[in-house]
Amino acid sequence: ILNVEQSPQSLHVQEGDSTNFTCSFPSSNFYALHWYRWETAKSPEALFVMTLNGDEKKKGRISATLNTKEGYSYLYIKGSQPEDSATYLCAFQSGNQFYFGTGTSLTVIP
Amino acid sequence: EAGVAQSPRYKIIEKRQSVAFWCNPISGHATLYWYQQILGQGPKLLIQFQNNGVVDDSQLPKDRFSAERLKGVDSTLKIQPAKLEDSAVYLCASRTNEKLFFGSGTQLSVL
Repeated sequence: ILNVEQSPQSLHVQEGDSTNFTCSFPSSNFYALHWYRWETAKSPEALFVMTLNGDEKKKGRISATLNTKEGYSYLYIKGSQPEDSATYLCAFQSGNQFYFGTGTSLTVIP
Repeated sequence: EAGVAQSPRYKIIEKRQSVAFWCNPISGHATLYWYQQILGQGPKLLIQFQNNGVVDDSQLPKDRFSAERLKGVDSTLKIQPAKLEDSAVYLCASRTNEKLFFGSGTQLSVL
């Protein structure tokens, strides 16, 4: 079982603040790194799939970077809004297997 | 495109009772996963199907958990008998080549 770690575990920010989270994963047997957003009572929703070292992806106010050599990915949210409140999960993909972190729970305070 | 359907959304049972969860993946997705997410932990793989065959069930507690995927479409996950530590969210996911699509999960409480 591979170890995927996310930090921080939870985060409270004011509306308008920018924030970032970290996902650490093994640097060997890497296929892809996934970020999911999981709102309460809903399905986890895919945000990004990243495969190449140095990848940077952006979707609106959310962006992510990937460093496969050192085994980490950052997720950034610019100008947080209350609707960004959710748990953000990362998953390390090796072959057909997905290994999830414990998630970062974000609460954006209006 | 219809998403992954799961039912029930919530289930409360007493320990030693049985429970079953159902999943209907996205049409055409050959790979189906069942994950268990215990509060404070990340989703943990229970079983992976490719069509109707099991690819990985190494973390499935086979003394009490069973799963099947008849005809390579719908899948059911059963727990018999349930224990207190089985309280969790059970997520079903199906997969394209690139990413996982999740259902909304079944929240199980074992009292």
